[in-house]
Amino acid sequence: NAGVTQTPKFQVLKTGQSMTLQCAQDMNHEYMSWYRQDPGMGLRLIHYSVGAGITDQGEVPNGYNVSRSTTEDFPLRLLSAAPSQTSVYFCASSGQGQGPDMQYFGPGTRLTVL
Amino acid sequence: TQLLEQSPQFLSIQEGENLTVYCNSSSVFSSLQWYRQEPGEGPVLLVTVVTGGEVKKLKRLTFQFGDARKDSSLHITAAQPGDTGLYLCAGLFGNEKLTFGTGTRLTIIP
Repeated sequence: NAGVTQTPKFQVLKTGQSMTLQCAQDMNHEYMSWYRQDPGMGLRLIHYSVGAGITDQGEVPNGYNVSRSTTEDFPLRLLSAAPSQTSVYFCASSGQGQGPDMQYFGPGTRLTVL
Repeated sequence: TQLLEQSPQFLSIQEGENLTVYCNSSSVFSSLQWYRQEPGEGPVLLVTVVTGGEVKKLKRLTFQFGDARKDSSLHITAAQPGDTGLYLCAGLFGNEKLTFGTGTRLTIIP
């Protein structure tokens, strides 16, 4: 198993550009989530999904969209990038019935918005 | 929004020493997790504690969950350079959302 994969690993955007951060898992996990990590602030939940076709907002959802059309994939879309969205983004997944209790994290995407 | 406070924020000690890291909240957790994160990587789950007063051991690491399920501690015995990293606690409030603490950055000096 590859576990949780994220692409790209690094990305630089200009203010106002849009892009999609990709996340995929091959463990047939129901629960998937997106976090951002900023210095001194830990990880903050952006959006999460408890299964295909179901998504919900986390702590900091503004400026981001998600969809979950398959169990494997959970892309995060930045609609109009802003410098405040400069951060490291982590995708995570956990198995059926476990909610976010035993999450496996991807390696992260480091995003810089100029 | 539930808050998790970790202390200390930074800790630098000599190899062989013992240390304790704390995680505190004013809210009651359904469960609490501890993660370790290496530079350039995602967090890796170390342990989950569920029951108030629970103690779990992972080699030289001892995790304790407070009786009231509002706090937790991580104790490392005889620290080694391989223990260096960012230690994060994360509390589950309800069933679907995990709230992370701000982390303790630990450096073990050989």
